[in-house]
Amino acid sequence: DAGVIQSPRHEVTEMGQEVTLRCKPISGHNSLFWYRQTMMRGLELLIYFNNNVPIDDSGMPEDRFSAKMPNASFSTLKIQPSEPRDSAVYFCASTRLGGRETQYFGPGTRLLVL
Amino acid sequence: SQKIEQNSEALNIQEGKTATLTCNYTNYSPAYLQWYRQDPGRGPVFLLLIRENEKEKRKERLKVTFDTTLKQSLFHITASQPADSATYLCALDPGGGGNKLTFGTGTQLKVEL
Repeated sequence: DAGVIQSPRHEVTEMGQEVTLRCKPISGHNSLFWYRQTMMRGLELLIYFNNNVPIDDSGMPEDRFSAKMPNASFSTLKIQPSEPRDSAVYFCASTRLGGRETQYFGPGTRLLVL
Repeated sequence: SQKIEQNSEALNIQEGKTATLTCNYTNYSPAYLQWYRQDPGRGPVFLLLIRENEKEKRKERLKVTFDTTLKQSLFHITASQPADSATYLCALDPGGGGNKLTFGTGTQLKVEL
């Protein structure tokens, strides 16, 4: 199994630019999560999807952040326009709905906004 | 508001000793609690899950306790090894139909020779 795949692994951009992070969940998983991790705030849930439908986006910090899941094997997290305070590591995780399945995390995208 | 606290300071112990990490929470009634390990530059990896009606769970050298009265979970690594050095995160799961987790900030463990 390939595990959760994220791209890019590293992204350096300038303030005001659009940033798109991509995630491919594990095949057969129908629940997908986007997290952001910083030293100050730890690992925060931004949004999660069940069966490609957004369920809870209360963690999305601002309207500058948006996420989509057009199909079961692909999701994007977009930041437009980006700001220096968005610099963080962004993780995607997936799991199966129902039961108490653990979450499987991708390797993360390290974002630096200058 | 909900709050999850883990030791913010790093825990340094000697190889062979038992490491004990703490996860305290307030304003929360989790049905399940999970522990994850995170190595530098990597995503968290699941270790153990314990249910609210379970007092203790073991897996090899790992042991987790869950006290819903104290609102606390303890995570033990016995016979610790340098390879156990990592950051350990607790995560609270309210139960229900979703799989939404709320993570603590993690405790960094360093096992020295």
